[in-house]
Amino acid sequence: AQRVTQPEKLLSVFKGAPVELKCNYSYSGSPELFWYVQYSRQRLQLLLRHISRESIKGFTADLNKGETSFHLKKPFAQEEDSAMYYCALKGGGYQKVTFGIGTKLQVIP
Amino acid sequence: DSGVTQTPKHLITATGQRVTLRCSPRSGDLSVYWYQQSLDQGLQFLIQYYNGEERAKGNILERFSAQQFPDLHSELNLSSLELGDSALYFCASSVGDVVGHGELFFGEGSRLTVL
Repeated sequence: AQRVTQPEKLLSVFKGAPVELKCNYSYSGSPELFWYVQYSRQRLQLLLRHISRESIKGFTADLNKGETSFHLKKPFAQEEDSAMYYCALKGGGYQKVTFGIGTKLQVIP
Repeated sequence: DSGVTQTPKHLITATGQRVTLRCSPRSGDLSVYWYQQSLDQGLQFLIQYYNGEERAKGNILERFSAQQFPDLHSELNLSSLELGDSALYFCASSVGDVVGHGELFFGEGSRLTVL
């Protein structure tokens, strides 16, 4: 079974402070991990995927198979980062994409 | 707008009724996915279609059914509605049938309220 856990429903940080949105997963095989973001009044959209090892809008996420985690990090939060962030996991083949409950990031000016 | 479109945006109905939610995928995308988002829950995967065929199934209730038509649009039918079916229903699409390294493109959702 696939499971994604985002332990924080709400994370409030001050502008300029570091951000870490936590994501832990449960999957027996080799998963593919994603972070999706939903800004106010916008659609849910892909932020980044672990396979690309990319940095998008200053955010990075490293897959730690030992800790089964895929935390999203940014060194300096900006007000425009305020949004809902969802961690997602996909197993191999025709496996479904499983989403976490989401974390609301609130950046305080 | 060539993105994923969902109709209706809002729907209010009574218990026991039946509703149909419609989704048109992005131009060129062959897969359609349906998700349910209830209060305090993440996006719960319901079902996936690829080029008209069911490809993957989640925890979709027997009262719910879906299909994808030859023009690739999809409909999610919800019957014998209960209060607990009140939720935001998202449709997403992708190019292929295995999301893999690709991504899901989401619609704005259809908010269903069952009274």
